[in-house]
Amino acid sequence: AQSVTQLGSHVSVSEGALVLLRCNYSSSVPPYLFWYVQYPNQGLQLLLKYTTGATLVKGINGFEAEFKKSETSFHLTKPSAHMSDAAEYFCAVNIGGAQKLVFGQGTRLTINP
Amino acid sequence: DTEVTQTPKHLVMGMTNKKSLKCEQHMGHRAMYWYKQKAKKPPELMFVYSYEKLSINESVPSRFSPECPNSSLLNLHLHALQPEDSALYLCASSHVGRERANYGYTFGSGTRLTVV
Repeated sequence: AQSVTQLGSHVSVSEGALVLLRCNYSSSVPPYLFWYVQYPNQGLQLLLKYTTGATLVKGINGFEAEFKKSETSFHLTKPSAHMSDAAEYFCAVNIGGAQKLVFGQGTRLTINP
Repeated sequence: DTEVTQTPKHLVMGMTNKKSLKCEQHMGHRAMYWYKQKAKKPPELMFVYSYEKLSINESVPSRFSPECPNSSLLNLHLHALQPEDSALYLCASSHVGRERANYGYTFGSGTRLTVV
């Protein structure tokens, strides 16, 4: 079975600092991986996705993630945090041949002025 | 049109009421999904429709009844709910098939349901 684990339920960084949100996956087949962001009282917005091809994926709002098969990781980074980045971030994986997105537990990102 | 529209945005219902949540998309997606999200938790899959047919039911109680009347609409009928069913209900859509689906799942902004 495929699943994702997000390390750290809460991450706090200063404005302008590097953002690193961790996601590890377990999969017996090549995974499809996603990062979504959720602002308070809103739905989910796709930040970026890895399907095949280039392992460094660039997304919206300056975020990027690198697929590392050897480490079974898909960590999300942003070089310089902005106050507007404060939100909940979910890593997700597609399950097998079915059309199921399964989400990690989420990481709440707080930005300190 | 690249949006999934959910109505209503907020709903308060009693335990004996019958209500429906509505989801609409016009992206040509033929797979549609209902997710339930409790506070401070990740979304959990409830149902998947492919080509207007129910393909996945994640053992959801029968007080939740999904319906897909056409390729653009997805409804969730609610009856005799419990207070613990209070949550954010999210609709999503995608292309059918794992390869094409992973071009992207598009989520609506959700319906915040409170059962009293």
